[in-house]
Amino acid sequence: EVQLVESGGGLVEPGGSLRLSCAASGFTLNNWSMNWVRQAPGKGLEWISSISSSSKYIFYADSVKGRFTISRDNAKNSLFLQMNSLRAEDTAVYFCARVSVAAAYLGAFDYWGQGALVTVSS
Amino acid sequence: DIQMTQSPSTLAASVGDTVTITCRASQSISSWLAWYQQKPGKAPNLLIYKASTLQSGVPSRFSGSESGTEFTLTITSLQPDDFATYYCQQYSSSFPTFGQGTSVEIK
Repeated sequence: EVQLVESGGGLVEPGGSLRLSCAASGFTLNNWSMNWVRQAPGKGLEWISSISSSSKYIFYADSVKGRFTISRDNAKNSLFLQMNSLRAEDTAVYFCARVSVAAAYLGAFDYWGQGALVTVSS
Repeated sequence: DIQMTQSPSTLAASVGDTVTITCRASQSISSWLAWYQQKPGKAPNLLIYKASTLQSGVPSRFSGSESGTEFTLTITSLQPDDFATYYCQQYSSSFPTFGQGTSVEIK
């Protein structure tokens, strides 16, 4: 069974840093592109970053570019999101999601984690 | 970035109704469009990809169609489990974008 489990969320002060992890099981991560999507409280979905299977292609939304870094460790079947210079508007549930087509870097997101809540507040 | 304009934002319907949600792309995205269902406190669930292909395990009462840059999600014979929020998403570009969401509520 395919599973994605996020961890690392929590409360952080403005300007602080946090690192989210997404542990994959039930499939081999190195064949799949992955994404991070966030959802602010009561709001819609916002794509924030993607990484191709080999890490060759990496993209960021303008809202996080220069502050967030996506990475992956295929040997450990894990995806990461390093978040620096956090702002109140980064408060959201962060989901990792898999692209539905193996070896493609664009596609619908067929599996999602349960989400990790990040709260940026003093 | 490609903008996705979804309507309506809220829709009130009864069990057994047929409902339609529309999403318009700001430019051509070919058929690279997905629809998701999300329930409170849960992750989104993929319903349809490539505009009209039903994801495995999704009931056949869900269907998708397209006409140019306008895409439609139709739910036929609405069931109690279908009351949720629905999002469209384009994945034509390296910067995927979602519509604003449509909340399907009980009338």
